[in-house]
Amino acid sequence: DAGITQSPRHKVTETGTPVTLRCHQTENHRYMYWYRQDPGHGLRLIHYSYGVKDTDKGEVSDGYSVSRSKTEDFLLTLESATSSQTSVYFCAISDTGLGNTIYFGEGSWLTVV
Amino acid sequence: SQQGEEDPQALSIQEGENATMNCSYKTSINNLQWYRQNSGRGLVHLILIRSNEREKHSGRLRVTLDTSKKSSSLLITASRAADTASYFCATDSSASKIIFGSGTRLSIRP
Repeated sequence: DAGITQSPRHKVTETGTPVTLRCHQTENHRYMYWYRQDPGHGLRLIHYSYGVKDTDKGEVSDGYSVSRSKTEDFLLTLESATSSQTSVYFCAISDTGLGNTIYFGEGSWLTVV
Repeated sequence: SQQGEEDPQALSIQEGENATMNCSYKTSINNLQWYRQNSGRGLVHLILIRSNEREKHSGRLRVTLDTSKKSSSLLITASRAADTASYFCATDSSASKIIFGSGTRLSIRP
């Protein structure tokens, strides 16, 4: 298994509170991604990073921000959580991005009540 | 909107039969990949096919790509109970954005 650790794995939070999910990798891969997975929508890209301090938006970036201050860590922040952000969040990594295998973490289950 | 869309959404077959899943996409791609997801787990890479390839094999998996129709198919031969999972196609076209479809849920009946 690729060395990807997501934390927390499960979280319940209240509407309006900020939430940060962490992804930590030990593979020294350049690219890191955050996806959310919802029934009927598959996986949708939220944000991705192509290097330290280099990030870009995905399909569903509204309400989310990211930061990457070190190669190994990619943080996803929900600035003010809403019920529509209840989902499973997956971090993924890739060595060279385009055309290469991406490896997934085990997911973080977030419930916003 | 999703770049890749799998068809069918759900498929149930008898163990030993072949399973075929299809993926259609909208824009030109560089590569197309297939992933598998067991319930409650992350996705696992199965196979990658490049835009200049038409067919690729890996064990019991066979993937075809038709860029003129913007479609791909994944064939799993001699299915086993352990093949029960969701299968996703993923495409990349530019800027390292790898986009997934909504998946096919495959159930193998013993």
